[in-house]
Amino acid sequence: EIVLTQSPATLSLSPGERATLSCGASQSVSSSYLAWYQQKPGLAPRLLIYDASSRATGIPDRFSGSGSGTDFTLTISRLEPEDFAVYYCQQYGSSPWTFGQGTKVEIK
Amino acid sequence: EVQLVQSGAEVKKPGESLKISCKGSGYSFTSYWIGWVRQMPGKGLEWMGIIYPGDSDTRYSPSFQGQVTISADKSISTAYLQWSSLKASDTAMYYCARHPGYSSWADYWGQGTLVTVSS
Repeated sequence: EIVLTQSPATLSLSPGERATLSCGASQSVSSSYLAWYQQKPGLAPRLLIYDASSRATGIPDRFSGSGSGTDFTLTISRLEPEDFAVYYCQQYGSSPWTFGQGTKVEIK
Repeated sequence: EVQLVQSGAEVKKPGESLKISCKGSGYSFTSYWIGWVRQMPGKGLEWMGIIYPGDSDTRYSPSFQGQVTISADKSISTAYLQWSSLKASDTAMYYCARHPGYSSWADYWGQGTLVTVSS
């Protein structure tokens, strides 16, 4: 099973700042089969990025994904108030699919 | 509009059985996979398993194999997650989600079903 480790656990930033979230895999994720989701309290997760760098439908271009192999990054170029949430990475290249433990982006 | 609508919250006792549902609409239900994800209180997301309603091909995470059963009824565009004997540790929010393929992301999610198991 591929273990995904997200860092940092919590990111304290102000609106307008840049957020960089990391997701490291215990072994290579085949074909960059990695997604990022955003979850706000009391709501279901929302797909942001798939295949490591493709933005999902309707996702603003301030969200971008990069990486391959074992190291992946989600970047939010300028934080908007609605971006403060928990972010999860997930790999779907090797069964069982697995999630990282999440990074909380909070208002500083 | 693609929608996944899950059944309502449940409160059960340990040892009881339960089946929760996820009804898809706005797309061809038999052409996409449906996955299930657990989120225990205050914790992260855990992938449980996935089913292809077109032919009921089902795969489980080893952590959940034998603990739950995933099924689907394509005639009513509904997927199910069931337990034969609940434990207190099954208390969690359960989400269904649509996957365009087997090895793929989850593009649409249900609203979640909260299952509480308590004596």
